[in-house]
Amino acid sequence: AQSVTQLDSQVPVFEEAPVELRCNYSSSVSVYLFWYVQYPNQGLQLLLKYLSGSTLVKGINGFEAEFNKSQTSFHLRKPSVHISDTAEYFCAVIPGGSYIPTFGRGTSLIVHP
Amino acid sequence: DVKVTQSSRYLVKRTGEKVFLECVQDMDHENMFWYRQDPGLGLRLIYFSYDVKMKEKGDIPEGYSVSREKKERFSLILESASTNQTSMYLCASSLIPGNEQFFGPGTRLTVL
Repeated sequence: AQSVTQLDSQVPVFEEAPVELRCNYSSSVSVYLFWYVQYPNQGLQLLLKYLSGSTLVKGINGFEAEFNKSQTSFHLRKPSVHISDTAEYFCAVIPGGSYIPTFGRGTSLIVHP
Repeated sequence: DVKVTQSSRYLVKRTGEKVFLECVQDMDHENMFWYRQDPGLGLRLIYFSYDVKMKEKGDIPEGYSVSREKKERFSLILESASTNQTSMYLCASSLIPGNEQFFGPGTRLTVL
């Protein structure tokens, strides 16, 4: 069974600092990879996705992620965070041919002024 | 713009009540999902449906049932609500295998 590990449950940073949220998954077969963001009292919305092609994926709000097949990782990065980026971030993995994602437990990004 | 709506944002029910959570999507998606979200546990799949009248159990189906009579509507039913079902419930839909999911705003259910 697929598993997804988000290595940090909470990441505090100061505004305008860079941030990396880490995600590792277990499957060695082809996968589709996603990052979602959840603002307080809202549902999840897609930040970015990797289906195939370039391993560096750019998403909304200045976020990007890099797919590393050998390390089975899909870390999310932003060079300069804003207060408004404070939210919960979820990594999700779908094995090729399936439509059922496995979600990580989430990382709470807290941006301090 | 794609949209998934859920019938209530907040719901308070008593132990033993039958509870219905409704989800509607306007994107003509085949696949619909119900998750519950609890702090530190992420999203856990309760049930999903890949077609009208079709349903499959997810990881935590106990105490829940679902209904999908029309393509756009997927209902989650708590037959006899219990306090350990107090949680945030999220509905989602997707079009094809391997594609992203679109989420509703969630229903925060409290069972007293």
